[in-house]
Amino acid sequence: GENVEQHPSTLSVQEGDSAVIKCTYSDSASNYFPWYKQELGKGPQLIIDIRSNVGEKKDQRIAVTLNKTAKHFSLHITETQPEDSAVYFCAASPNNNYGGSQGNLIFGKGTKLSVKP
Amino acid sequence: SQTIHQWPATLVQPVGSPLSLECTVEGTSNPNLYWYRQAAGRGLQLLFYSVGIGQISSEVPQNLSASRPQDRQFILSSKKLLLSDSGFYLCVLGQGYSGANVLTFGAGSRLTVL
Repeated sequence: GENVEQHPSTLSVQEGDSAVIKCTYSDSASNYFPWYKQELGKGPQLIIDIRSNVGEKKDQRIAVTLNKTAKHFSLHITETQPEDSAVYFCAASPNNNYGGSQGNLIFGKGTKLSVKP
Repeated sequence: SQTIHQWPATLVQPVGSPLSLECTVEGTSNPNLYWYRQAAGRGLQLLFYSVGIGQISSEVPQNLSASRPQDRQFILSSKKLLLSDSGFYLCVLGQGYSGANVLTFGAGSRLTVL
């Protein structure tokens, strides 16, 4: 089955710097790659996602890149701010069907990002 | 838009006591619903998923059970809690968009078993 590895587990940056979180996946059939942000005491919130037919997607200060050949995808946050501090999870969807187990996302173990003012 | 209601938000229970966490969703019909658990400082573990009323599948053997008595209601239960059941429980709504299963998480219920 699908396996998602996420690195680093913790990341500390200065405000204004960029942050990059990387994930690799094992199932070449995976075609959907979302990123979630979880603030302390809250449920994860979807911040950006990318499909396998796209190599890069950007939304203001965040961007995601996907390399299907190498089976890895990354989250890039530019001009980091203290409110970006949170745990970030990547995930991969192992096939085209949604619903039930077939459509379940496989999550990475998370990256705790700390942005120092 | 879809809304997930999950309660209670926090719960402290003694070992051996029963548990009932409830989740209801609005703004959608026939949703896929999930229960995830997040232990302290750890990742997201899928516990149960449901594609319809009365249809429950379990991903891992455990002390918990789930039920779906109505289309937009999902319940997580236990007859006797263990210390290891402590964690942050998340009700999740899954919706298909262009062949992808997009998950929306509820606010979570924090369970502490003493």
